[in-house]
Amino acid sequence: QVTLRESGPALVKPTQTLTLTCTFSGFSLSTSGMCVNWIRQPPGKALEWLARIDWDDDKYYTPSLKTRLTISKDTSKNQVVLTMTNMDPVDTATYYCARNAAAGTLGYWGQGTLVTVSS
Amino acid sequence: DIQMTQSPSTLSASVGDRVTITCRARQSISTWLAWYQQKPGKAPKLLIYKASSLQSGVPSRFSGSGSGTEFTLTISSLQPDDFATYYCQQYGSYSTFGQGTKVEIK
Repeated sequence: QVTLRESGPALVKPTQTLTLTCTFSGFSLSTSGMCVNWIRQPPGKALEWLARIDWDDDKYYTPSLKTRLTISKDTSKNQVVLTMTNMDPVDTATYYCARNAAAGTLGYWGQGTLVTVSS
Repeated sequence: DIQMTQSPSTLSASVGDRVTITCRARQSISTWLAWYQQKPGKAPKLLIYKASSLQSGVPSRFSGSGSGTEFTLTISSLQPDDFATYYCQQYGSYSTFGQGTKVEIK
């Protein structure tokens, strides 16, 4: 059974760096074809794909946020970490991690974690 | 980024109606298109991948079609559980989502 769970601070101040951890079970990120993505959703708004890390450590970022994002994995801990620098109130959102199903699609999701950016 | 545009933004329908949602890509994405259903407070659920392939466990009243730049999601007979927001996602070049279509009760 594949499960994913996001964790991190619920509140960050403007200009701070956000660090989110996705802890998963039911698969190994060292298995060929596996990848984990981060997606966010501001309250009442649409989904926005942020980043992806593949089993072979290839990394992909949405171009508009590329300079602020870093994704990494710890295969031994079954974790993927996303950092986002220089947080702003517009970054307030529910952040999800998700594993691929068929290539590129997001078949398994965590429950999401709400991050509020406020001073 | 490849911009994805969904229409309509909101759709009012009744149980039993046939419902169609359209998603257009700014440039060709072949059939690298997925559809998701999201209910309030929940994570999205994958319905369709590769434009027309039904994800395992998804009812057959859901279907997808299209290629290149124009795609549709059809619900053949709307059920009470289908009132939700639907998103398209392109995964031909990085990934981007449409802005969503809310299907509400008429």
